[in-house]
Amino acid sequence: ETGVTQTPRHLVMGMTNKKSLKCEQHLGHNAMYWYKQSAKKPLELMFVYNFKEQTENNSVPSRFSPECPNSSHLFLHLHTLQPEDSALYLCASSPRIGNQPQHFGDGTRLSIL
Amino acid sequence: GESVGLHLPTLSVQEGDNSIINCAYSNSASDYFIWYKQESGKGPQFIIDIRSNMDKRQGQRVTVLLNKTVKHLSLQIAATQPGDSAVYFCAENGGANSKLTFGKGITLSVRP
Repeated sequence: ETGVTQTPRHLVMGMTNKKSLKCEQHLGHNAMYWYKQSAKKPLELMFVYNFKEQTENNSVPSRFSPECPNSSHLFLHLHTLQPEDSALYLCASSPRIGNQPQHFGDGTRLSIL
Repeated sequence: GESVGLHLPTLSVQEGDNSIINCAYSNSASDYFIWYKQESGKGPQFIIDIRSNMDKRQGQRVTVLLNKTVKHLSLQIAATQPGDSAVYFCAENGGANSKLTFGKGITLSVRP
């Protein structure tokens, strides 16, 4: 148990669907992150939130829309995705931004048909 | 450009032996480094970290060594066990407000 819970664990959707990924952390952290993990590639940072405010958008296409209603919850809203968006999406949190260990959830395995 | 990389894609060791996983980094401004372990079907799990003002740090059965002169980071696992089989990632942070940059990962396979 890492203290970071992601749901759903698996998601299959068509390119025209709209779905959301959810992340919840029980660690009292103030920074939350979305990463994309594709086969044989390093983890790619997508978004960073610090105290509910977005501090980084790493040139992510607008078909990915993050939302952070409070420091414990993070969402990733998906719409009109492409097949190349199929990947493992990981959420992480840390006490604050900077030189701190990030704690990861187990991810959502997303498949786009 | 700046990058974090791992020398070998896979490492096979005998159960009970020590394992050494190496990582090279090129950002001389990096001042914080982390090792993660990722098992199949799970997210990356924090193992150990080290700041640039140190050259060695020990945890339970693990030791991280940092050589800033040659920009090299290594993870040593003592008495490797089957449960250590996983993909290991190094990551670096180029400063207090910088983002973590991850390497591609190396697979550690433990032979019984």
